[in-house]
Formats: sequence, C-alpha cells, structure tokens
Amino acid sequence: QVQLQESGPGLVKPSETLSLTCTVSGGSISSYYWSWIRQPPGKGLEWIGYIYYSGSTNYNPSLKSRVTISVDTSKNQFSLKLSSVTAADTAVYYCARDGITIFGVVIIDWYFDLWGRGTLVTVSS
Amino acid sequence: QSALTQPPSASGSPGQSVTISCTGTSSDVGGYNYVSWYQQHPGKAPKLMIYEVSKRPSGVPDRFSGSKSGNTASLTVSGLQAEDEADYYCSSYAGSNNPYVFGTGTKVTVL
Repeated sequence: QVQLQESGPGLVKPSETLSLTCTVSGGSISSYYWSWIRQPPGKGLEWIGYIYYSGSTNYNPSLKSRVTISVDTSKNQFSLKLSSVTAADTAVYYCARDGITIFGVVIIDWYFDLWGRGTLVTVSS
Repeated sequence: QSALTQPPSASGSPGQSVTISCTGTSSDVGGYNYVSWYQQHPGKAPKLMIYEVSKRPSGVPDRFSGSKSGNTASLTVSGLQAEDEADYYCSSYAGSNNPYVFGTGTKVTVL
C-alpha cells in the first residue's frame, strides 16, 4: 500500500531555511495533490500548502512569503522549504495526500486520506 | 482565516455515545460540504475518519458518523470503546485562497 515518509534535519537554527522531503512508496506520485501540514507541540494542525504532481502549488497565505513546495516525479518525492525560521516554526511536520476524484480530470476533494508519520523539527541555536 | 471552534474535551463511558461539534462560518463549514474529521492518538499521525461531512473511508467502523447543520458540523462516536480515546480534529474547505482550515481539536476520554 502507499506510504509516505518525511525526512530532513531535526534541528534548524533561527533565520535559516527548514528543508524536508516526503518520499512516496508503494504507488505513484502522479495524478495526486500532496500537502504539508504542521503541528506545534501540544497544539493543533496547520495546513502549509499543497503541490499537484504537475508542479502547480497553493500556499497558506500566512506562510506564503516563506514557503516553497516542489516535486520530483522521477524520485517520487515532494519537498518543503520554509525560510527565515523562528522558534514559532518548531513543530511536527507531516506530509499528506489530498483526496481526489477522477472524472476525466482530477478534482481535489479537500481532505487528507493518507499521512506520513511526521518529523519533529526544532528551531533553536 | 480563523480556526474552527471545537470543545476542548468530551467524554463518555464505554458503550455510550459522544458528539463533538465543529463551528465555523458561512465561508467554510456552512458554505461547502467539505468537512472532514481526523483521529489522532498520542505521538501518532492523524487518521481520516469522515470526509465530505458524512462519508466514511473503507475500514473506519460505522460507529463513527458525521453531520452538518448550518455553520456547525458534528462527529458522533457511538458505542464508545477504549481505543476511541484520542484527539479529534475537524477540517473544512474555506475557499481557494486558503483552502484548508482545521478545528482547535477535542480530546475524547473514555471513562
């Protein structure tokens, strides 16, 4: 079955760029939308943004100036970069698959049907 | 976009039912039939329990049901079991500019 796995540094210094990769195994990255979601320790979930396998993106307006999401279909991976991080960016970062319906074209259905295990990223000097 | 409002906690005894509310606005919950619910056990990733207000993914017990009235969606867990003890989050589509908004989360305790 399809599985998602986040990878990347667990510690990032303030003002630097957080970089994470999500590897999709057991299935193709094609035809789907893929999201990044984060959860600060003890707090709720926040959607960061999504990317379609073709490369089109949509970002949370509150993070848009600092976020870049990219995809590498040859490696079945998509990635997150968050620049100028502060302690407020400390969180568990999840990658997830967006639910879709295919009626000739792909229609996003606005839920997450598959999640990675998550990776804790701490911002500290 | 503000987070959807959920009660911080809910509880029930084994076998009983518990209902969690998720209140938004006409720009999110009330405007679309795209409400989903996620279960999260401590230290684990969220798991999809309900999508499009009331649909259950394959493998989710029919003890879990969803509904919506106006700007408030609800998740009901019937026949509570010990393994239902977890945090639950709602989510709604909120328009193309910022499509996903989550709820504040509810901790369900099985007494």
